[in-house]
Amino acid sequence: AQKITQTQPGMFVQEKEAVTLDCTYDTSDPSYGLFWYKQPSSGEMIFLIYQGSYDQQNATEGRYSLNFQKARKSANLVISASQLGDSAMYFCASQGAQKLVFGQGTRLTINP
Amino acid sequence: DAMVIQNPRYQVTQFGKPVTLSCSQTLNHNVMYWYQQKSSQAPKLLFHYYDKDFNNEADTPDNFQSRRPNTSFCFLDIRSPGLGDAAMYLCATSRDIAGENEKLFFGSGTQLSVL
Repeated sequence: AQKITQTQPGMFVQEKEAVTLDCTYDTSDPSYGLFWYKQPSSGEMIFLIYQGSYDQQNATEGRYSLNFQKARKSANLVISASQLGDSAMYFCASQGAQKLVFGQGTRLTINP
Repeated sequence: DAMVIQNPRYQVTQFGKPVTLSCSQTLNHNVMYWYQQKSSQAPKLLFHYYDKDFNNEADTPDNFQSRRPNTSFCFLDIRSPGLGDAAMYLCATSRDIAGENEKLFFGSGTQLSVL
């Protein structure tokens, strides 16, 4: 079974600041992937970044980076130089055998 | 260009009146998924198709059914919608099943209201 925990229901950040969204996971799969998705008010789930459980380096995609600490079972998302368009729900998810499981999400609001 | 298309964007139905939500994809992916997302909650997997093979989640109510007539299209049928079925329904696809690095592609969702 897989479980994703996102402990921050909401976060408020000033534009241009960096922000870290927390995610911890629990899984019995020996090999797994960790994903972050962005969901704006339009509803679509937008893939942001992926980290494999055996990857040696933390994943980066433009302004997004994933701070992966396997021993602590955490996979925090870091957004650098935040923009107004980053305001959205952010979901952490894990995938092992056949199923993508989401956390409860964090609502991020970027203030001008 | 949209690769996973859901219609309609908003759907209103009456309590107990059958409703069908549609999803199409241009990615030629083998797997299609339906997720239910209630307000301020995480998306929850209802079922998925791997090609023509249907895989139901153990806790998906019998009220929810699905059809996949061909690779491109998948439908979600709610036989007798209740007030508790009001939610966003998300369709997603992936090239293959399982695999830790299999990325899902999502549509924009259909927001279902039940009156």
